[in-house]
Order: sequence, then structure tokens, then C-alpha cells
Amino acid sequence: AQSVTQLGSHVSVSEGALVLLRCNYSSSVPPYLFWYVQYPNQGLQLLLKYTSAATLVKGINGFEAEFKKSETSFHLTKPSAHMSDAAEYFCAVSEGYSTLTFGKGTMLLVSP
Amino acid sequence: DTAVSQTPKYLVTQMGNDKSIKCEQNLGHDTMYWYKQDSKKFLKIMFSYNNKELIINETVPNRFSPKSPDKAHLNLHINSLELGDSAVYFCASSRGRDTDTQYFGPGTRLTVL
Repeated sequence: AQSVTQLGSHVSVSEGALVLLRCNYSSSVPPYLFWYVQYPNQGLQLLLKYTSAATLVKGINGFEAEFKKSETSFHLTKPSAHMSDAAEYFCAVSEGYSTLTFGKGTMLLVSP
Repeated sequence: DTAVSQTPKYLVTQMGNDKSIKCEQNLGHDTMYWYKQDSKKFLKIMFSYNNKELIINETVPNRFSPKSPDKAHLNLHINSLELGDSAVYFCASSRGRDTDTQYFGPGTRLTVL
């Protein structure tokens, strides 16, 4: 069975600082991994996804994530936070057959 | 051009009522989904349809019944609403069944009084 753990329900950074949102997964088969962002009162938007090609995946808005099989991790980073990055971020794993399992989300707070 | 749309955006109703939420996608996708997001923001899949056929039916009360009249639409009907049904319901779609990216609608916030 697949599962996702996101460490930290809230992460606070200053504008311009590094953003690091942690995601660890459990999967019985090589997984597909996703990061989604949810802005207040909106639906989820795909940031990036890993599908067994390059281990470093670049997404929209300057975000990237690195797949590390040995650590079963897929952490999301951005070199310099912007106020507009404040949102809820969800990591998700899929083993196929339309089954997408989400983590509990991490709220990113950005202060000026 | 909205890719995945849902109506209504907000739904406030009394316990015991029956209500429906509609979802439409104009992406030409074959697979559609319903998710429930609870008050703690936890997202869980409820149903998935592929070419109008039910392929995923998670542990959801029988009061919830999805209906897909065609590939572009997946509606969710809820009978005898309970307080615990209050949540945000998201519709999503993807091109195929496996690991294709899922595109989400804006959500419907259901409040049961």
C-alpha cells in the first residue's frame, strides 16, 4: 500500500529565504510522485511530477524536487521565497490505476 | 476557458436533505474523480470513472452516488445529508487511468446544518 508523510503541518520562511518542504513516501512499486499547490479557496494545481525519468524535477514558479530512492523522499525546494508562494502544498504518490494518495499538506507561510 | 468546473461553489443545506454537485471537464479526458477534503485539509479519493465506468469506489457510504452521463461529466448525488458530510468536494480529471496528471476543479464547499 502506498502512503505519504509530510513533515511539518506549517513551515514559516522570510521572503527571499530558501523554501524546503519535506515529503517521504512508501510504495511497493516504483512510484510516481507529485507536488500540488492549493491557494486559499481554490482547487489544486500541479507544481511538478516525477515519473522515473530525471531524479531532479523542475516545476512551475521556480520550484523543484529531487527523488531520492534510498531515502524514499521527494522534498520540494525553491531557492528564494516570494510572498505569492504562501499556500498549502500537497505531496502525492501513485502506483497506477488512478490511485493518487495525498499527504496531509504543509502550509507555507511567507513573512516580509 | 475553465478546464474543470464545478457547480455550485458553495452549498448550505439542512441535515436529511438530498443534494447534487455537478462537474464538467472540457479537456477531452477519459477519467474523472471525486475527492473529499475534510476540515483538516486531508484529501481522500471517493470515486473514479473511466469512460463512464466506475473503476474506483473507496469506502464511501451508500448515500453517495456518482453518475457519469458522458465522459465530460461526473456528478455527485448525496442522499440524507449528515453533519459529517460537511467538507470541500473536488472533482478532477486525467487523460488516462494510470499516472497521468490529475487536473482539479475549484471545489464545492458543502455545509450541512
